[in-house]
Parts: sequence; structure tokens; C-alpha cells
Amino acid sequence: DTGVSQNPRHKITKRGQNVTFRCDPISEHNRLYWYRQTLGQGPEFLTYFQNEAQLEKSRLLSDRFSAERPKGSFSTLEIQRTEQGDSAMYLCASSLGQSGAFFGQGTRLTVV
Amino acid sequence: GENVEQHPSTLSVQEGDSAVIKCTYSDSASNYFPWYKQELGKRPQLIIDIRSNVGEKKDQRIAVTLNKTAKHFSLHITETQPEDSAVYFCAAIPVDSSYKLIFGSGTRLLVRP
Repeated sequence: DTGVSQNPRHKITKRGQNVTFRCDPISEHNRLYWYRQTLGQGPEFLTYFQNEAQLEKSRLLSDRFSAERPKGSFSTLEIQRTEQGDSAMYLCASSLGQSGAFFGQGTRLTVV
Repeated sequence: GENVEQHPSTLSVQEGDSAVIKCTYSDSASNYFPWYKQELGKRPQLIIDIRSNVGEKKDQRIAVTLNKTAKHFSLHITETQPEDSAVYFCAAIPVDSSYKLIFGSGTRLLVRP
């Protein structure tokens, strides 16, 4: 499969625990995005990388969220001290230049 | 920053009829407008896109139109089929913000057999 790959697909965690998600973009894509989607809503922008540089982070994103993209390849999104409000689908997308982004299947996070 | 509004939030049509979903954007510098289809429990999938130097683009039963002056763009689906039932999202990319996609709130399309 040459599409965007995300792991894990599902994650259930207790409130207060840390979680980390991984995204493997389409190999030639230089841009990588993280979005969060809750039921009935459109994807909400979290952060964006061009190659290994994190160029933008949403003002809505608390300091508990951090993302990395070492070597401009895969990316990780970590949420520290999870809260119930963090429960959502976390989507990764990648693109090449100014073109449509292609999404992964997402990681569904449930905080109990 | 860019803001994208999408209407209607839900749309129900009879199989074979046409469906139209409309979006407006606020940033006149936006120049790329993709549309995504998301089936229940699946990822958003890019179905068609249009750039600001083009007024209309068509791909089989799907077409998108863009009015730059009015800052709105629309998705048109003709001869709808039950498998067209899904949530559709419009999006815009403002040039000055690192090319991140700003999404509309989505339209839930139901095609009745």
C-alpha cells in the first residue's frame, strides 16, 4: 500500500496517560499535516511540516500536544496527560507542493 | 485567517437527481479548492479539485465551479447513486498560511434509492 499509513488504528487510554501516534506519509510527499476530527465535524488543523520543519501549529493546540518529523519522513504526534476532551479521530495527511492532501485512515483515540 | 462555510449541512435527494453543495471562503488569496468525500468510518478521500485560474472542472458525474469574485465554489453531482451517500467536505488553501487545508463543516448527502 503506497498511501498514507497511520498506527495504531485505535487507542484506548486512561485519563492522564501519554499516547503517541505514528504517520508514514506517501514517500515523495514533502508536506505532512495532522488534523483532528470529532463526530459530525470537519477535520480541524493541528500542525504542519514541510520536510522536517514544523512550520505551523494551531493556536488551539495546548502544550500537551507535540509533533515531530525527524529526517522529513514519518511523523509522530504525542499527547501528554490525556484528557477526555482529547477523544477524537486523529488524521494525518500528506501532499506534494500545493496539491490536494491525501489522508491516512486515522487513529481513533478514546480517553476513559 | 481563512474561514470556509459550507451549506447545506444535510441534503437528501432521490436516486438519479442532482445534488449541489455550496461553499464560501473569506480569504481572497486562496487559490486551491479541493473537495473530499468521507464515508462512515473511513478517511476523507479527495474526489475533485479546482484552482483559481479555472472556472469549472468536470470529472464524469462530478463537477466543481468557482466564482472568485463572489468567493464561492460549488460541487455538483449529477445522476446520483446510493453509493454517493457520504459526508462531503469542501476546503480551501490560503496562499499565505503554509498551504494548510481549511475545511468546511461538511454536508451529509443521502441518496434515496
